[in-house]
Amino acid sequence: GAGVSQTPSNKVTEKGKYVELRCDPISGHTALYWYRQSLGQGPEFLIYFQGTGAADDSGLPNDRFFAVRPEGSVSTLKIQRTERGDSAVYLCASSLRDGSNYGYTFGSGTRLTVV
Amino acid sequence: QKEVEQDPGPLSVPEGAIVSLNCTYSNSAFQYFMWYRQYSRKGPELLMYTYSSGNKEDGRFTAQVDKSSKYISLFIRDSQPSDSATYLCAMNAGTASKLTFGTGTRLQVTL
Repeated sequence: GAGVSQTPSNKVTEKGKYVELRCDPISGHTALYWYRQSLGQGPEFLIYFQGTGAADDSGLPNDRFFAVRPEGSVSTLKIQRTERGDSAVYLCASSLRDGSNYGYTFGSGTRLTVV
Repeated sequence: QKEVEQDPGPLSVPEGAIVSLNCTYSNSAFQYFMWYRQYSRKGPELLMYTYSSGNKEDGRFTAQVDKSSKYISLFIRDSQPSDSATYLCAMNAGTASKLTFGTGTRLQVTL
């Protein structure tokens, strides 16, 4: 596709449930990032993939959060035992290589609401 | 104290005005500086990218970096209603992959 695609665009789940958020990066982009944006805040880094491997997962808040990218393209962010504090917009971005020095392309995000 | 500080606004200006948006930061290792524009319910979109100190101009946008003061700015000339959005500064040290963002400044350009 022309851009970074994230599905679903909105997700409402009950506290304690498990959720999966999907990111489909721009074709050929090897670097993929997940960020979380709370209301009125800037995005906060969660995890960075270079190819299939997680190069930096220092932003994951705790062990309820996990992400995979098994074939080096699509990535899934998984959240177990969701809490109300997990409510936020989860943004995915991709770049041709390590885009930290060039910026990268963001998707429109998945708005997660935990009730 | 946050690593990157940005006034959240909102900032309201009339059409045609010059807009000045600013961020300060505390991490002297930051070398790469970016400005993103974010419309409501959309992802951030890269506007400007600069390395180290200096100025960069692109159309109506000018980015300035003053590393000695740990201060960066984005100027928008001849502002338009379509510029109404949240503007996020972002930066990193160059060796890490993650960006550190400011909170964003909400800009409203009125007719």
